[in-house]
Amino acid sequence: AQTVTQSQPEMSVQEAETVTLSCTYDTSESDYYLFWYKQPPSRQMILVIRQEAYKQQNATENRFSVNFQKAAKSFSLKISDSQLGDAAMYFCAYRSARRYNFNKFYFGSGTKLNVKP
Amino acid sequence: DTAVSQTPKYLVTQMGNDKSIKCEQNLGHDTMYWYKQDSKKFLKIMFSYNNKELIINETVPNRFSPKSPDKAHLNLHINSLELGDSAVYFCASSRSTGGGQPQHFGDGTRLSIL
Repeated sequence: AQTVTQSQPEMSVQEAETVTLSCTYDTSESDYYLFWYKQPPSRQMILVIRQEAYKQQNATENRFSVNFQKAAKSFSLKISDSQLGDAAMYFCAYRSARRYNFNKFYFGSGTKLNVKP
Repeated sequence: DTAVSQTPKYLVTQMGNDKSIKCEQNLGHDTMYWYKQDSKKFLKIMFSYNNKELIINETVPNRFSPKSPDKAHLNLHINSLELGDSAVYFCASSRSTGGGQPQHFGDGTRLSIL
């Protein structure tokens, strides 16, 4: 089974600075999808960014970008110009492209991001 | 306009009671899920249905019974509630076709057992 590891339980960043959250995963598959979700204190789960494994180009969504290293099985999230509203739990998730496992999502344990004013 | 809605948002009840949580999605997705998020924020998959068919059934006590009357609804019934059932329960949905679609989550139901 695939596993997703977020080794940083908690991180802090100063407002307006940049922070990187790390995520590694274990899989024998070559085709899959990766996601970052944000869970603010309101407890909603919000999709932040998505990456297809077959794409070499790193995904970007405004201030959020990823560093996808397929060979290293690493998928880190970079948040630029951090804002107070970025304070949340961040979850990394993996979805297989294989039909037998297509509907299962694997989540990491989360990283709590604090943003200091 | 809510994409995935679950009710109630909060549920406070006594040990031993039976309760249900309802979930509905209006996204036209064919797959729905129930997750349990414990106090350490770990998200654990419980069940998944694809077109009303159970496809994922993780190690969950049989006091938990999901029901999917149609592909837009997935309800969760819990019998004989225990203290350890206290958690936030999330419903989610996704499409099984179209290449790597993300899951869309409801706002969660916080279940507190007294």
